Amino acid sequence: QSALTQPPSVSGSPGQSVTISCTGTSNDIGSYNRVSWYQQPPGTAPKLMIYEVSTRPSGVPDRFSGSKSGNTASLTISGLLAEDEADYYCSSHTNTSTWVFGGGTKLTVL
Amino acid sequence: EVQLAESGGALVQPGGSLRLSCAASGFPFSAYWMHWVRQAPGKGLVWVSGLNGDGTNTVYADSLKGRFTISRDNAKNTLYLQINSLRADDTAVYYCGRGGPPYGVDVWGQGTTVTASS
Repeated sequence: QSALTQPPSVSGSPGQSVTISCTGTSNDIGSYNRVSWYQQPPGTAPKLMIYEVSTRPSGVPDRFSGSKSGNTASLTISGLLAEDEADYYCSSHTNTSTWVFGGGTKLTVL
Repeated sequence: EVQLAESGGALVQPGGSLRLSCAASGFPFSAYWMHWVRQAPGKGLVWVSGLNGDGTNTVYADSLKGRFTISRDNAKNTLYLQINSLRADDTAVYYCGRGGPPYGVDVWGQGTTVTASS
């Protein structure tokens, strides 16, 4: 049940697009469409941004999109805004009926 | 309004025990999976445990099995986490969360801080 692998940091300028990857194994991401993404600004609780790989909860802008290929899931944020600056975490359900998070990625808007 | 409110965090000596609570309101508590997630200072999120609506199915992170016990009282709309034999590396903010959409946590509390130190 190892943590999913995310890049420690990504950055982009306002208006640009960035993609955050999340790599797991055939025991989690590779076997199920049960990937979620969370946004966590400093000092706040996480917020669900994507579930089931690519579904946005009500109220999440369509600038946020998710996808998956094999054992790797991705979160893409288009039209970057300053308010998008935060830590982002992926999560997946696993074949042992547990959940696992990625290590987190710090997004900096330049 | 859908809300979760954790309580029970404290400064505890290593080896001690603690019970965290999470009071839920604004939704049919017994219909939802509930989870505990922790975050050590300056570190990432770590899933700790979850259980189903009637409390009959509990799951734990492999690395935390044995010292942590999750439970719920649906009559009181409250989720619990019992932590025994506290260690310094249990120091973290502990969040409770609602398992809403398939396999995602859609509502989070504000967190409660546990510090294991002498």
